[in-house]
Amino acid sequence: SQTIHQWPATLVQPVGSPLSLECTVEGTSNPNLYWYRQAAGRGLQLLFYSVGIGQISSEVPQNLSASRPQDRQFILSSKKLLLSDSGFYLCAWSPLRGSGDEQFFGPGTRLTVL
Amino acid sequence: GENVEQHPSTLSVQEGDSAVIKCTYSDSASNYFPWYKQELGKRPQLIIDIRSNVGEKKDQRIAVTLNKTAKHFSLHITETQPEDSAVYFCAASPSSNTGNQFYFGTGTSLTVIP
Repeated sequence: SQTIHQWPATLVQPVGSPLSLECTVEGTSNPNLYWYRQAAGRGLQLLFYSVGIGQISSEVPQNLSASRPQDRQFILSSKKLLLSDSGFYLCAWSPLRGSGDEQFFGPGTRLTVL
Repeated sequence: GENVEQHPSTLSVQEGDSAVIKCTYSDSASNYFPWYKQELGKRPQLIIDIRSNVGEKKDQRIAVTLNKTAKHFSLHITETQPEDSAVYFCAASPSSNTGNQFYFGTGTSLTVIP
């Protein structure tokens, strides 16, 4: 069966510090991968998605970036965090198809920027 | 791009009553509409989905209806129970997507009062 991992589970970082969140998927090959941000009391905002190694699409302009160095690894990064980057970051995966498949979410990383 | 609106943002019902959550979408190319449930501090999980070639789908106490002409879809929960209390998100996925991207509504916080 497939599983998705995220770490760290929680993170407190000062403004201006760098960020690296990691997501890995087990038990599947060639998944689509996604990063979402969920601000307190808000919906799920799609940040990035990837259909393959090295292929990253950005949905919103921001100071975050994403990379996919391996088939089942997705990394969210920032060089300098802003207060507005605080939130619950969720990674998700789905089978590699055009559209119309369930997305499976990871446990999330709760980021607080002070 | 796709824009999904969701109403109401909060909903309180008595145990045993029904709950209805409504969503509208903007992109007529959307053909997949999942609903996710997110309990406090946990990851979203799919509870039901519907494709554009179907008008209604039911799974025990949960049903979803889709009106393609009006571009709206709704979640119906009957005989609500306290464990139904959670945040519910609708989403739409256009068939033109290259990566099965979802566009989520802003969520509905459902409280079932015992």
